[in-house]
Amino acid sequence: AQSVSQHNHHVILSEAASLELGCNYSYGGTVNLFWYVQYPGQHLQLLLKYFSGDPLVKGIKGFEAEFIKSKFSFNLRKPSVQWSDTAEYFCAVNAIFGNQFYFGTGTSLTVIP
Amino acid sequence: DTGVSQDPRHKITKRGQNVTFRCDPISEHNRLYWYRQTLGQGPEFLTYFQNEAQLEKSRLLSDRFSAERPKGSFSTLEIQRTEQGDSAMYLCASSLDTGREELFFGSGTQLSVL
Repeated sequence: AQSVSQHNHHVILSEAASLELGCNYSYGGTVNLFWYVQYPGQHLQLLLKYFSGDPLVKGIKGFEAEFIKSKFSFNLRKPSVQWSDTAEYFCAVNAIFGNQFYFGTGTSLTVIP
Repeated sequence: DTGVSQDPRHKITKRGQNVTFRCDPISEHNRLYWYRQTLGQGPEFLTYFQNEAQLEKSRLLSDRFSAERPKGSFSTLEIQRTEQGDSAMYLCASSLDTGREELFFGSGTQLSVL
């Protein structure tokens, strides 16, 4: 079975600080990778996704993530966070043509103005 | 907005009662998923439909849980004889079966079992 690990449970940053959230997965085959975000009081929404090709993917609101196959990692980055980035961030993976999406436990990000 | 909608948004029930939740996916999406999320955890897979067929169920899903998608459109999730441990956010998501799909989530139903 696949699993996803997010090592940072709570992150507190000041505005304009750089962000990197770790995500590692365990699965031997080809996977699709995702980061979802949940703003306070809102539903989960897609931040960015990786299917194939360039391992550096760009998403909404200035976020990007890099897929490093050898490390089974898909870390999320943003050069300069804003107060509005305060949210819960979830990494997810599913096998190519697989049925299940596996989610990490999430990272709670608080950005202090 | 034609996103995924779930009803009700909140449900409070007493232990031992049955509850039913409804999910209306994005209309052209043939896949529908149910997830459960508790505080401090990520969404946990419960079950999944391809059109009206329920193709996969989590081993964590006890026989008190049943889900249907009778016409391949909306879906219902029923929990019988609720227990306090069933208290959670129940999320519905839908997608297109393309092999490069992403999940679109609803706002969820927050269940509290007293």
